[in-house]
Amino acid sequence: QVQLQQSGPGLVKPSQTLSVTCAISGDSVSSNSAAWNWIRQSPSRGLEWLGRTYYRSKWYNGYAVSVKSRITINPDPSKNQFSLQLNSVTPEDTAVYYCARDTAAAGPDFDYWGQGTLVTVSS
Amino acid sequence: QSVLTQPPSVSAAPGQKVTISCSGSSSNIGNDYVSWYQQLPGTAPKLLIYDNHKRPSGIPDRFSGSKSGTSATLGITGLQTGDEADYYCGTWDSSLSAVVFGGGTKLTVL
Repeated sequence: QVQLQQSGPGLVKPSQTLSVTCAISGDSVSSNSAAWNWIRQSPSRGLEWLGRTYYRSKWYNGYAVSVKSRITINPDPSKNQFSLQLNSVTPEDTAVYYCARDTAAAGPDFDYWGQGTLVTVSS
Repeated sequence: QSVLTQPPSVSAAPGQKVTISCSGSSSNIGNDYVSWYQQLPGTAPKLLIYDNHKRPSGIPDRFSGSKSGTSATLGITGLQTGDEADYYCGTWDSSLSAVVFGGGTKLTVL
């Protein structure tokens, strides 16, 4: 059974960096048949895909255009986890952040999700 | 505004059937598989349907999915009060090079 356990601060000041980590059990961040994603949800923006990391003989990343200049998703195979960093945050980045696995078989399908981390951007 | 369009709400009586539509374009639904998610209050979304019509293990056959052209539909039969939730569709958009979601549909079981 795959489990994704998220950790990270719930409050970030404007202009600072938001960081959330997703620890994986029951699968590997280096799997050749999965992609590891970050998705956020807010009342104003709904569900918004932020990006993903995946391994296919080498590491690949893909990011949403809306956050591409500010986002980094890093895999950490030694700890079997991956992380999200979002720089220069504003109150509009306030949301529940989820990590999720995509089986990467055909279309995107997120079959396992983390518990969610509410991140508030406020001074 | 979400890339995929869903009705904000639908309702039906217990035991009845309901359908939720998801409308897109040739760069998303018309070009890739659709998945559907159920989100109960305070929880993460749960995968209900993938590859347009397939159900993950453990999802009852009361839930079904279909796709035609640039639209997709989620069907739920034998409605139960426990089905009250928000439902989202999602797919890949080749123009945006991103996963896109619908705005969500709130299901009320009267």
